[in-house]
Amino acid sequence: QVHLQMSGPGLLKASQTLSLTCTVSGGSLTSGSHYWSWIRHRPGKGLEWLGYISETGGSYFNPSLRSRLSLSLVTSENQFSLSLRSVTAADSALYYCAREWEGAYDSWGQGVLVTVSS
Amino acid sequence: QSALTQPASVSGSPGQSVTISCTGTSSDIGTYKLVSWYQQHPGKAPKLLIYGVSQRPSGVSDRFSGSKSGNTASLTISGLQAEDEADYFCCSFAGSSPYVFGTGTKVTVL
Repeated sequence: QVHLQMSGPGLLKASQTLSLTCTVSGGSLTSGSHYWSWIRHRPGKGLEWLGYISETGGSYFNPSLRSRLSLSLVTSENQFSLSLRSVTAADSALYYCAREWEGAYDSWGQGVLVTVSS
Repeated sequence: QSALTQPASVSGSPGQSVTISCTGTSSDIGTYKLVSWYQQHPGKAPKLLIYGVSQRPSGVSDRFSGSKSGNTASLTISGLQAEDEADYFCCSFAGSSPYVFGTGTKVTVL
């Protein structure tokens, strides 16, 4: 059973860059047929898909975040990461990493609550 | 891409069945068979219940079933149990977006 463990700061100031890492255990980032994804849940709103990165490094982003979002893999560490630039209070949310399989998310990280202060 | 619409809450007594709807558009649920459902207990990560509209992952109880008709997907929980009290949300592939989630439904076991 794959386990995803998230790490990263929970408090940021506006205009800073949010960096989160997801470490995969019990499986490999390059095991095939998966997309490594990021999802967030903003207060009072539904879940929002942010983007994914494939095992070969190809990525796809939510159009609303494309200009500020970067995703990366560190296969040697079995990790994938998110970088969201120029954050504002609107980026305050519970962030999740997840593994996509067959168009669904079968493993999730524990979630990191990110608060952006002005 | 707008969120998929779910009822805010549904409730039922133990042993009953409840159905949660998830309404989208012809750009998501109406076109693709990539609809999934998740259960989330407070403070926990979501758990995949249904994928591909009606497929259950290994280990998920057969009391959970999924279906789709037109632009609306549904999750039915049969034989409602106290442990089923949780939040549930749907998700659909949406082409260029490419994924959209539902607004979420709180299930209460009376």
